[in-house]
Amino acid sequence: AQSVTQLDSHVSVSEGTPVLLRCNYSSSYSPSLFWYVQHPNKGLQLLLKYTSAATLVKGINGFEAEFKKSETSFHLTKPSAHMSDAAEYFCVVSDMHDMRFGAGTRLTVKP
Amino acid sequence: DTAVSQTPKYLVTQMGNDKSIKCEQNLGHDTMYWYKQDSKKFLKIMFSYNNKELIINETVPNRFSPKSPDKAHLNLHINSLELGDSAVYFCASSQGAQAVQETQYFGPGTRLLVL
Repeated sequence: AQSVTQLDSHVSVSEGTPVLLRCNYSSSYSPSLFWYVQHPNKGLQLLLKYTSAATLVKGINGFEAEFKKSETSFHLTKPSAHMSDAAEYFCVVSDMHDMRFGAGTRLTVKP
Repeated sequence: DTAVSQTPKYLVTQMGNDKSIKCEQNLGHDTMYWYKQDSKKFLKIMFSYNNKELIINETVPNRFSPKSPDKAHLNLHINSLELGDSAVYFCASSQGAQAVQETQYFGPGTRLLVL
C-alpha cells in the first residue's frame, strides 16, 4: 500500500518570496511522483514528475521538486512567487498498481 | 482545440434522478479515468479504462456505471442520485498501458449538484 501526505493544507506567501509546498510519501515499490496544479474552476495540470531519473526535477512556471528517498519527501519549491501561482496543488504518488492523491495545499499569494 | 472535454460543465438535478456525464479525448491516448473531487478538494479515482477495458474500479456504489464505446470516450452514468454525489467529477486520459505512472491530462470538470 502507498500513501501521500501534504503537510500543509494552506500556505500563504508574499509575491516575490519563495514558495515551499511539502509532500511526504510511502510506497512499497519505486514510485513515480507528480505535482499537479488546479486553478479555480479548472482541471488539474501537470507541473512536474519524477520517474527514477534525476532527483531534482524542473517543471513549468519556474517550479521544481527534489526527490529525497531517505526522507521520503518530494517537496515543491519556487524561488519567487507570482500572483498567478495562487491555486491548489496536489502531490501524487504512483507505482505499478495504484496511485494516490494528496489532500491538496492551497497556495495564497499576497501582493 | 480542447484535449479532454467533458459535458455538461454544470449539472443540477433532483435526488433519485439518473444522469450521465460525457468525456472525450482527442489525444489518441489509450487510458481514460474518472475522478471525484469533494467539497474539501480531495481527489479520488473512481474508474480507469485502457482500450475500452476496465482496469481500475475503486470502491464506488454500483449506481455509478462507466461506459466506454471507444477508446476516445468514457462516459459516466449515475443512477438514483443522492445528495452525497454532489461533487466535481473530472475525466482524464494518459498515453499508455502503465497508466498509474504516466502523466494524466484532465478535463475541466463537471460540477454536479444534487438537490
